Amino acid sequence: DQQVKQNSPSLSVQEGRISILNCDYTNSMFDYFLWYKKYPAEGPTFLISISSIKDKNEDGRFTVFLNKSAKHLSLHIVPSQPGDSAVYFCAASGSGGSNYKLTFGKGTLLTVNP
Amino acid sequence: GAGVSQSPSNKVTEKGKDVELRCDPISGHTALYWYRQRLGQGLEFLIYFQGNSAPDKSGLPSDRFSAERTGESVSTLTIQRTQQEDSAVYLCASSRTQIGGGYTFGSGTRLTVV
Repeated sequence: DQQVKQNSPSLSVQEGRISILNCDYTNSMFDYFLWYKKYPAEGPTFLISISSIKDKNEDGRFTVFLNKSAKHLSLHIVPSQPGDSAVYFCAASGSGGSNYKLTFGKGTLLTVNP
Repeated sequence: GAGVSQSPSNKVTEKGKDVELRCDPISGHTALYWYRQRLGQGLEFLIYFQGNSAPDKSGLPSDRFSAERTGESVSTLTIQRTQQEDSAVYLCASSRTQIGGGYTFGSGTRLTVV
């Protein structure tokens, strides 16, 4: 039972264009969402997060949007750069005592072409 | 050190042997986590340590898996009588608090059971 789903295993975009990575979740108890980026042979790196009390969080070229009613979030990267090519993982955590436990999606491989 | 350090980076073992994986967290990080990523899958939570509190072992897949941590220092994950399905990248992470997300991952140990 996959509680966090990233339905696109891969995405290819041109340098300078927008990359949109999508994530859906099923557990309504999730209230904190994160995106991690992973290069080959390295551990995931925290990118950006959003609390369920917000619907948007922006950090430079990266913006995360949360639609709670649809249980959907997305990561927008604009403009995309070749160095953004990596696997992007969506993750979620619940409230309360176990908020340290993250549930991850399977990841989306983003390729930004020069 | 500056980051989370894991050793070994790669381990090939024969089915039925025991293996021990090591994690050195960032100094001052009270929380330590183990996750694993099997091929084509997202990261799966294994175990969480917070200071001297009892660890959350709810993610350990079987009693062949165990982990130890002394205080806020090094942690070891031990897998006894390894099976081929244990093949995965084992990732350790640490953080200052247990608040969900934003933890720092190590580069992982790639375990291959043959």
